[in-house]
Parts: sequence; structure tokens; C-alpha cells
Amino acid sequence: GAVVSQHPSWVICKSGTSVKIECRSLDFQATTMFWYRQFPKQSLMLMATSNEGSKATYEQGVEKDKFLINHASLTLSTLTVTSAHPEDSSFYICSAWTSGNNEQYFGPGTRLTVT
Amino acid sequence: AQTVTQSQPEMSVQEAETVTLSCTYDTSESDYYLFWYKQPPSRQMILVIRQEAYKQQNATENRFSVNFQKAAKSFSLKISDSQLGDAAMYFCAYRSAVGSARQLTFGSGTQLTVLP
Repeated sequence: GAVVSQHPSWVICKSGTSVKIECRSLDFQATTMFWYRQFPKQSLMLMATSNEGSKATYEQGVEKDKFLINHASLTLSTLTVTSAHPEDSSFYICSAWTSGNNEQYFGPGTRLTVT
Repeated sequence: AQTVTQSQPEMSVQEAETVTLSCTYDTSESDYYLFWYKQPPSRQMILVIRQEAYKQQNATENRFSVNFQKAAKSFSLKISDSQLGDAAMYFCAYRSAVGSARQLTFGSGTQLTVLP
């Protein structure tokens, strides 16, 4: 149990376009979801925390107008990278927290390449 | 703010041998959780082991065990009988147990190579 999926797993987009990444908890309800960014050979950096039905809380230095997060239901959160640029190319990972066993489960990640 | 430090960017171990990965953290809180996560080349984060700070007993999961020294704020991971499949990036992480905060703070990671 406790599976988190992300879609797409890899996306290539042109500079200036927007791309949406979905994060779903498949077999549990997640009141809180987290979005991380990871550069090659580096650690995970928390971008934002989203709670179902409320606005996301962004970490310092993360542009909220560029990285739009929506947590519309207890099983789905989306991250939209608006007007993407090559420097936004990275690996994006979501995780979902369940109060059931006070645990956080990670999605498989999405590789974003902006050309 | 809490910080997590992993001072070993890379480690290697011979297959079947034992290796210990180091982690230190800084916090003013008394109640918290500590984790070790494994990230193989697939980049899927996998929970290896979890320790609650209020528990004095060190957590163990099969070949994986921790040495939790609360006063020293140290949380090392020991992998026994290392296997080729253990090769991965290992991250130490901290999470507060206070209030509704559920964010994980990660260390910089240790890349473990297992030599056949």
C-alpha cells in the first residue's frame, strides 16, 4: 500500500511554455503533499507544502507565480511550471503525508527538460 | 531552523562487508523523528529506517541498523552484509514532532558504492 504516482515521468518542453506535473496518492488520502526539486548529485530541496483545499506554503526563494501548486483533492496535487526556462530543468519529486501511520511517501519523480 | 549534515559525500564497501554512514543534526527540539532514505539510480526515494527521538532503543530493519546518540545529535546508519543492491545515494533526514510541521529536512547525501 501507500503508493504515490507522478505523471509524466519525463517531459521536454520549449522555453516559454508551461508544463503541469501531477502527483497522486493511489491508495490513501493525503492531507498534505510536498514538492521537492533535486539537481543531479544533490539533495532534495523543499519547494512548497500544500494542504488540501488551501493555498500552498512556499519556501523562501521559490517563486510562487512561477511554480503554481494546486491541491484540489485528498489524492491529487499538481505543480505547474509557468513560462519555463532552461534553468528550470530539474528533477521534481512529490511526496504525500498520511496521518494513518504518520508517514511520508514519495512519488517516482518527474524529469523536466526545458529546451 | 534544523540542519542535517552528512560529512561523507562518497563511501565504498566490499560486498558482504559492513559500512557505516554518518549523520549529525542540529535542533533545539526534544521530540522529533530521524530517517534514512535510499535513492537508487531509479531516483525513487525508499525509506530505509526510522527512529523516534523519545525511544532510546536503536531502530533495526534486517541488515540495517542505526546508532542514535541523542545527546551528541548523531544518527549513523550501519549496513551489514552489504549487497550490490545497496548501492545508492543515502540521505539522512529530520522531521519535527512538534505541532503540524511535517516537512523533512535532508542532509546532502552519501553516495555508496558496493564493490563486488
